[in-house]
Amino acid sequence: QVQLVQSGAEVKKPGASVKVSCQASGYTFSDYYLDWVRQAPGQGLEWMGWINPNSGATKYAQKFQGRVTMTWDTSISTAYMELSRLRSDDTAVYYCARDSSASYEILAESFQYWGQGSLVTVSS
Amino acid sequence: QSVLTQPPSASGTPGQTVTLSCSGSRSNIGSNHVYWYQQLPGTAPKLLIYRNNQRPSGVPDRFSGSKSGTSASLAISGLRSEDEAEYYCATWDVSLSGVFGGGTKLTVL
Repeated sequence: QVQLVQSGAEVKKPGASVKVSCQASGYTFSDYYLDWVRQAPGQGLEWMGWINPNSGATKYAQKFQGRVTMTWDTSISTAYMELSRLRSDDTAVYYCARDSSASYEILAESFQYWGQGSLVTVSS
Repeated sequence: QSVLTQPPSASGTPGQTVTLSCSGSRSNIGSNHVYWYQQLPGTAPKLLIYRNNQRPSGVPDRFSGSKSGTSASLAISGLRSEDEAEYYCATWDVSLSGVFGGGTKLTVL
């Protein structure tokens, strides 16, 4: 069965960077898009971007352009999301989600399988 | 301020049918499929509906989705206490960026 296991909670100071990992199992990592979605406390869901491990393409939400970097290591079926210049309003649970769209498709589609979430707290 | 508009709350009694709405524009819902996610308290979201009206394996047929123009809706029939959750609609915009609604908190009275 598809499983996404994320790294643990982090506490960071404003201005620092955080890197969250997402290890996939139960499918061939490079065969599907993978998305990142975050949720601030008591707030809704916010899409951050996706990676296509097969084509090497990435797509970031405009809001995070210049601050987010999504990478991956196919050899260990792991994706990473690094967010820099952290602010207090970046405090959120960060989710990775395997897309339903295969990597040979042009477009990502739905967030079919989700990781358990990684809480990132930004506080001085 | 979310790109897609959902009412913040809705309620119903057990056995009732409730319909949750999601409003967008030509550049998002009007140009792409709509997806619905259910989030129970303290858990990760779960895909409920994809491509406007398709249910993933394991999702009861009490849940149904529809789309018309720049709006979409999720209907839940035979409402049950375990349906009490937050429901989010989502789609892609013409720039291939994902967009969500602000979510509707469904209360089963």
